[in-house]
Amino acid sequence: RKEVEQDPGPFNVPEGATVAFNCTYSNSASQSFFWYRQDCRKEPKLLMSVYSSGNEDGRFTAQLNRASQYISLLIRDSKLSDSATYLCVVNGNDYKLSFGAGTTVTVRA
Amino acid sequence: NAGVTQTPKFRILKIGQSMTLQCTQDMNHNYMYWYRQDPGMGLKLIYYSVGAGITDKGEVPNGYNVSRSTTEDFPLRLELAAPSQTSVYFCASSYDSGGNPYYGYTFGSGTRLTVV
Repeated sequence: RKEVEQDPGPFNVPEGATVAFNCTYSNSASQSFFWYRQDCRKEPKLLMSVYSSGNEDGRFTAQLNRASQYISLLIRDSKLSDSATYLCVVNGNDYKLSFGAGTTVTVRA
Repeated sequence: NAGVTQTPKFRILKIGQSMTLQCTQDMNHNYMYWYRQDPGMGLKLIYYSVGAGITDKGEVPNGYNVSRSTTEDFPLRLELAAPSQTSVYFCASSYDSGGNPYYGYTFGSGTRLTVV
């Protein structure tokens, strides 16, 4: 079983729509969770950390469900500039982070 | 601050050649990592380092070597390049706050390597 699994998508949504997707992780001892954004094979960039109580950053909302071992990301009022691949990232063993393969989101005009 | 700097950005190697991918960071991060990303795939950890003089293998270390003589630099050496090593290579660094990279990684812009 992969450490982090994501629905690869793609999610094709119109501008202004809401899109949400999840990822699951296998290590119940994981303590740190993140969403990264990656544009067209450029370097991944940190979008937001995910806290136990859930957190929001502008149009982005992240939730963590430890009991079911999944993390979600919701994007409200989608913009064309939100088109990217979103990577779910979980701290693995020791000092390493485990990356999901990514969920592709395409926002159309 | 420049963050994490990788050189070169692009390189074409012939089968059997060797090269070193350079990575340097100016954030005084103690942890550094090398990942590769194949088309349509996730990042796979090659090697990592928790501090100067300490390195360890990741998920896909075969065909690569690393060293960490200073906090700032973490070069990745490819010996006897093979077509299977065609990939995009990312270097990253992170800050330890009590044993885990709670603050996430900072990535370099990547090296696109083609082996022909």
